[in-house]
Amino acid sequence: QVQLQESGPGLVKPSETLSLTCTVSGGSISSYFWSWIRQPPGKGLEWIGYIYDNGRTNYSPSLKSRVTISADTSENQFSLKLSSVTAADTAVYYCARVAVGATNFDYWGQGTLVTVST
Amino acid sequence: SYELTQPPSVSVSPGQTARITCSGDKLGDKYACWYQQRPGQSPVLVIYQDSKRPSGIPERFSGSNSGNTATLTISGTQAMDEADYYCQAWDSSHVVFGGGTKLIVL
Repeated sequence: QVQLQESGPGLVKPSETLSLTCTVSGGSISSYFWSWIRQPPGKGLEWIGYIYDNGRTNYSPSLKSRVTISADTSENQFSLKLSSVTAADTAVYYCARVAVGATNFDYWGQGTLVTVST
Repeated sequence: SYELTQPPSVSVSPGQTARITCSGDKLGDKYACWYQQRPGQSPVLVIYQDSKRPSGIPERFSGSNSGNTATLTISGTQAMDEADYYCQAWDSSHVVFGGGTKLIVL
């Protein structure tokens, strides 16, 4: 059974960089699309971006200038960096998987709340 | 950028049929999927490729997609179906979510 687990600081100061890691167990991160999705408190889901094919990425146009997603296949992890954060970036951040050839997310992490505040 | 529009809320009586719509330009030309999200939990896939049910999802969940609208139908709605529902599709290699619909079972 594939499991995803997000980890990282729960509190980030404004203007700093948010950094999260998703650790995948029960399967290799090769041959899939690995994505970050966020959900501000009380609001809907927002796609941030994904990484696939050992390093190729695609980002949401609204966040592209501030987002970097990378992968470490030796650790079976992928990571999110979001720079110059503001209070608007406060959200639950999820990592999730799309199988190659599929169009839906089949596995999700439990999510981690990141608050941007002084 | 591509947008998917859902009604903010839908109300249904227990045992009745609930229909949640998701609208987008030529959405019927794309695959749509649906997620259920209960408070404090991660989303769970309930319909993929317009109308397919993952293993473990009750038969009362069904989906369709044509023209500009995808529809999630819940037949014989139960109290446990009260949750937020999100549609999702792809456009130009980007993932797009609808704004979400709160299903109220009363």
